[in-house]
Amino acid sequence: DAKTTQPNSMESNEEEPVHLPCNHSTISGTDYIHWYRQLPSQGPEYVIHGLTSNVNNRMASLAIAEDRKSSTLILHRATLRDAAVYYCILRDMKRNTGNQFYFGTGTSLTVIP
Amino acid sequence: DSGVTQTPKHLITATGQRVTLRCSPRSGDLSVYWYQQSLDQGLQFLIQYYNGEERAKGNILERFSAQQFPDLHSELNLSSLELGDSALYFCASSVGNSGRWADTQYFGPGTRLTVL
Repeated sequence: DAKTTQPNSMESNEEEPVHLPCNHSTISGTDYIHWYRQLPSQGPEYVIHGLTSNVNNRMASLAIAEDRKSSTLILHRATLRDAAVYYCILRDMKRNTGNQFYFGTGTSLTVIP
Repeated sequence: DSGVTQTPKHLITATGQRVTLRCSPRSGDLSVYWYQQSLDQGLQFLIQYYNGEERAKGNILERFSAQQFPDLHSELNLSSLELGDSALYFCASSVGNSGRWADTQYFGPGTRLTVL
């Protein structure tokens, strides 16, 4: 699977928007971009995914660069509950060898009250 | 609550021992995945089962084995345990297996294994 690069940590003030970047310069045309997050002492949870177009759901927005070499997860109003490690993962749809995810080191988000 | 259950929550054992971790997937999910999370290695994929059959293998040691039963629950067996096997073990489930983008994985709360 293609590799992703994320900052180790970021800080945000509560109720401010947060932009979490992810670089994936070796992304292939069939790679979907997935974001998961892991709250302290919990298992990872799904946040959002996309292929080419920007995506919105109730949790977040995903902005994908035109060349798809980078993407940004946007939390519109950070709350204390959003403090977590955020993982950006590429999943190659063409591969038919299972649906496993390869997690990188992720970005640890601290939300300041 | 993801709907995925894992037992036990905590497990403390000694080196050389064998343990079994259990996972019940969400109702209707056919795929089960096992991941290991340790401080130095991060989250690592171990193995995937789909409807009872092994589907994909990751960094799983030969001392570790898994299976998925007809009722779709899964067990991860860890034997000849070493200190370095101490970690959080997560189970996840998803509807299918095809690698479709829609196949969101739902993770359980994990089993914390401590090997003394």
